Amino acid sequence: GQNIDQPTEMTATEGAIVQINCTYQTSGFNGLFWYQQHAGEAPTFLSYNVLDGLEEKGRFSSFLSRSKGYSYLLLKELQMKDSASYLCAVRGLDNQGGKLIFGQGTELSVKP
Amino acid sequence: ETGVTQTPRHLVMGMTNKKSLKCEQHLGHNAMYWYKQSAKKPLELMFVYSLEERVENNSVPSRFSPECPNSSHLFLHLHTLQPEDSALYLCASRGRHRYKVNTEAFFGQGTRLTVV
Repeated sequence: GQNIDQPTEMTATEGAIVQINCTYQTSGFNGLFWYQQHAGEAPTFLSYNVLDGLEEKGRFSSFLSRSKGYSYLLLKELQMKDSASYLCAVRGLDNQGGKLIFGQGTELSVKP
Repeated sequence: ETGVTQTPRHLVMGMTNKKSLKCEQHLGHNAMYWYKQSAKKPLELMFVYSLEERVENNSVPSRFSPECPNSSHLFLHLHTLQPEDSALYLCASRGRHRYKVNTEAFFGQGTRLTVV
């Protein structure tokens, strides 16, 4: 089966660092994606990992361990505008159309 | 603006109505997807089209009927829906380039559907 787990909600303070974890069990793995979705808006791409290790992009970093079926998204120097839902998604094999399977999303609230 | 456009943005329909959702992209992508997003639930993959052929129908009821006339357009035809079908319907597209297969998917803004 396919299962992607992430916490439902998290709260953090402006200027702080927050780590959002994601664990997955999927049939076929072709990369892990993180998306950000503000209320009423489309999900937007944040990061992509296919090899083990850390990918850094400005204030956002994403880590992957394929052997553990684990990823995290790290957000530094939090800003109020970072309040959003963060979606972890695993890509299936290309012969399946490269479909993305999503976790339920983590609702992050950034407080002053 | 992601380059993927969905219309209408909002739709209210009765259970006996027939309506269609439209998705359009001019990004040169050749894979398109329909997802359903309900409150407090993960994005649910409904249909996958790759090179204009449906490659997956994820156990979706027949009251939802997709159509992909060309690589730029994707439709979701709706017929005799139920109130539990009320949700945000998101379209996404992805490019499959020869030397870069794992490109990210771009999402439209979605159609907020309410079935009454």
